[in-house]
Amino acid sequence: AQSVTQLGSHVSVSEGALVLLRCNYSSSVPPYLFWYVQYPNQGLQLLLKYTSAATLVKGINGFEAEFKKSETSFHLTKPSAHMSDAAEYFCAVRLETGTASKLTFGTGTRLQVTL
Amino acid sequence: EPEVTQTPSHQVTQMGQEVILRCVPISNHLYFYWYRQILGQKVEFLVSFYNNEISEKSEIFDDQFSVERPDGSNFTLKIRSTKLEDSAMYFCASRKDREFSGYTFGSGTRLTVV
Repeated sequence: AQSVTQLGSHVSVSEGALVLLRCNYSSSVPPYLFWYVQYPNQGLQLLLKYTSAATLVKGINGFEAEFKKSETSFHLTKPSAHMSDAAEYFCAVRLETGTASKLTFGTGTRLQVTL
Repeated sequence: EPEVTQTPSHQVTQMGQEVILRCVPISNHLYFYWYRQILGQKVEFLVSFYNNEISEKSEIFDDQFSVERPDGSNFTLKIRSTKLEDSAMYFCASRKDREFSGYTFGSGTRLTVV
């Protein structure tokens, strides 16, 4: 069965510092991987997605993620954190099986950005 | 940019009452989903819907739940007899086609069962 594990339920960084949010996946077939962001009291917004093309994926708001098959990882990074990046971040995996192709989400990482 | 619209944004209901959560997916999308997020927990898959029938459902999606696409634009989730543990944020999502495409989520309906 497909799954994702997000290490660290809370991450705190200083403004301007590197953001690194970790995601490892488990899948028996090549996965499609996603990062979503959820701001307080809002819905899920797609940050970026990996679809077996380039392993380094660039998303919105300066975020990027690198797919590493050998490590079964898809960590999210941003070189310089901004206060507006404070939110909950979810990694999700989808297998291309069946018409449903549902997303399976990780438990989320809450990013705090301090001055 | 096209959006998935969910109404209401917040609904409070008494235990045992029926609720209907409404969603308007993006017009040319073919796959529709409901997800649930209990406060402080992860987003969980409930059900997927394609070609006017359920494609897949999770263990959470028991006989108390049903989905419908009554008029070709709306996509509804009905909970027949709500329980306290149904309190959660419910997200609707849609996807364009079978080939790879992204999922677009609505902003959610917060359901509070009292």
